[in-house]
Amino acid sequence: NAGVTQTPKFRVLKTGQSMTLLCAQDMNHEYMYWYRQDPGMGLRLIHYSVGEGTTAKGEVPDGYNVSRLKKQNFLLGLESAAPSQTSVYFCASTLTSGVNTGELFFGEGSRLTVL
Amino acid sequence: KQEVTQIPAALSVPEGENLVLNCSFTDSAIYNLQWFRQDPGKGLTSLLLIQSSQREQTSGRLNASLDKSSGRSTLYIAASQPGDSATYLCAVREAGNMLTFGGGTRLMVKP
Repeated sequence: NAGVTQTPKFRVLKTGQSMTLLCAQDMNHEYMYWYRQDPGMGLRLIHYSVGEGTTAKGEVPDGYNVSRLKKQNFLLGLESAAPSQTSVYFCASTLTSGVNTGELFFGEGSRLTVL
Repeated sequence: KQEVTQIPAALSVPEGENLVLNCSFTDSAIYNLQWFRQDPGKGLTSLLLIQSSQREQTSGRLNASLDKSSGRSTLYIAASQPGDSATYLCAVREAGNMLTFGGGTRLMVKP
């Protein structure tokens, strides 16, 4: 009963380093999302995907890249980390059919600190 | 651009009280509205999902209503308990699968 799983849960980077956050869902959801949550800013959409092989920009996409090579996985990459990317990152996925269409399920979050 | 507002930003009540959290949105052309709970340091847990054609949803002590025409939703919590202490967020889904979140209401239920 895993749902949405994010790895790693914590990471500290130095400015300029790169890293990838992995999101995996076992619910056969088509849509997947990456959000960041910052104090006073709420949840902001970075990128999203409406199916395997597709990605789209959200509200704050700059500095991030994503890939959806497999339906169950959605990767978020930082090519050259900056202190402004210190945040908590959440992955989410959603149903696209049935009674509960659009219900969003979240992972536990990944806390990233960029020094 | 859709804007979602939650009032109040913080609320403190004694245990046992019934309470109402408010969520308002500016564009009524939504597909659904979802209420979430977030505990400190944790992810968001879905509480209730209301489709645009529905007026309310209930789960245990929680009841959420939706009035699309006025751009409002309320989350009613009956007989509040200390375990209900958390941040509650609402989010609306629109065309293009965009989801807009409110800033949340931080609830503290005192024993």
